[in-house]
Amino acid sequence: DGGITQSPKYLFRKEGQNVTLSCEQNLNHDAMYWYRQDPGQGLRLIYYSQIVNDFQKGDIAEGYSVSREKKESFPLTVTSAQKNPTAFYLCASSIRAGGQLFQTDTQYFGPGTRLTVL
Amino acid sequence: QKEVEQDPGPLSVPEGAIVSLNCTYSNSAFQYFMWYRQYSRKGPELLMYTYSSGNKEDGRFTAQVDKSSKYISLFIRDSQPSDSATYLCAMGGGYQKVTFGIGTKLQVIP
Repeated sequence: DGGITQSPKYLFRKEGQNVTLSCEQNLNHDAMYWYRQDPGQGLRLIYYSQIVNDFQKGDIAEGYSVSREKKESFPLTVTSAQKNPTAFYLCASSIRAGGQLFQTDTQYFGPGTRLTVL
Repeated sequence: QKEVEQDPGPLSVPEGAIVSLNCTYSNSAFQYFMWYRQYSRKGPELLMYTYSSGNKEDGRFTAQVDKSSKYISLFIRDSQPSDSATYLCAMGGGYQKVTFGIGTKLQVIP
């Protein structure tokens, strides 16, 4: 079955630690995204990538880093510089259309990772 | 003013009722509109996609877009307890990134 997988489902981080969230897709989608979801704030875009070895900052990139070494994979690292990392993290992907990333951008989401800082 | 406004609810309805969920937006560049359903502690699932104004029906779900009023709706007929979830509207187009509403929490009471 095609889809997006995220791991782990739950993650606990101690103060000062970096942690990496995994996101893998087998939909053959070019574009991948990371969002953060907090109660009452909706989805906020952290980073996105249109193509392998290329990515752009979203609205709240500070304290996060990403890589896109393979089309299928887009891991997110939450660094110790992120002061309030406790949240639900969602990875998504979409077919890149016509060279304009957001022209037709139906995104499909993974199941999410809940990160808690201890 | 947020680009996309959505009432967070919660909205409680009896089983079998018709549910109306709505979003308003301010950016006239938005061209396509989506509704996602999100169960608690799960990722959003795409329900409906519409391009420009008009209606689209899929089973018990109808999506309606009125670009002149910058208003979109999702109607659920014969609502079921399994419809209890948070419903997110989303929209994008051209060079605009997809923007999501904060979601409306729906509870269908048996």
